[in-house]
Amino acid sequence: QVQLQQWGAGLLKPSETLSLTCAVYGGSFSGYSWTWIRQPPGKGLEWIGEINHSGSTNYNPSLKSRVTISLDTSRNQFSLKLSSMTAADTAVYYCARVILQRPKGYFDSWGQGTLVTVSS
Amino acid sequence: SSELTQDPAVSVPLGQTVSITCQGDSLRGYYASWYQQKPGQAPVLVIYGKNNRPSGIPDRFSGSTSGNTASLTITGAQAEDEADYYCNSRDSSDNPVLFGGGTKVTVL
Repeated sequence: QVQLQQWGAGLLKPSETLSLTCAVYGGSFSGYSWTWIRQPPGKGLEWIGEINHSGSTNYNPSLKSRVTISLDTSRNQFSLKLSSMTAADTAVYYCARVILQRPKGYFDSWGQGTLVTVSS
Repeated sequence: SSELTQDPAVSVPLGQTVSITCQGDSLRGYYASWYQQKPGQAPVLVIYGKNNRPSGIPDRFSGSTSGNTASLTITGAQAEDEADYYCNSRDSSDNPVLFGGGTKVTVL
């Protein structure tokens, strides 16, 4: 049973860069795609972006200019960087595993979530 | 741009059946997946593909699709089913992953 454990700074000042890491335990790392999703307080889920096993990325167009997702296959980890943070980026950030077999695509395992607050 | 539309809230008497819908053009090319989220917890996958349940998800949860509308049905709703439910699908537009706005299910 795959488990995802995530960590990173929970309090940032405006203009700083968010950095989160997600470690994958108990399952295969290569051969899958991995994603980051966020949820502002009291609101719905927003997809941030994903990375596949070879390092190719897709990003939400609304965040693309500020997002970088990367892989560390030696550690079975992947990371999120989101630059120029503002209060609007305050949210719980989740990592998840992607299963993509057209015409189905879904997220079958999730991290525990990290609350990130942006405040001066 | 593409989007997925869900009703904001529905209620269901204990033991009765409720269906939640999700509308969007992306559903003509991709199956929806459905996630249950309880307060303070990460989302949990409950339905994926044509009508598949991950291990551990009760069989009272089922899914279907017709045209551009996907549905999640809870047959015999239990108190523990009270939660927010989100639909999700891939898309062929410049934003390849879509989420619906979520439906809050209240079990009366």
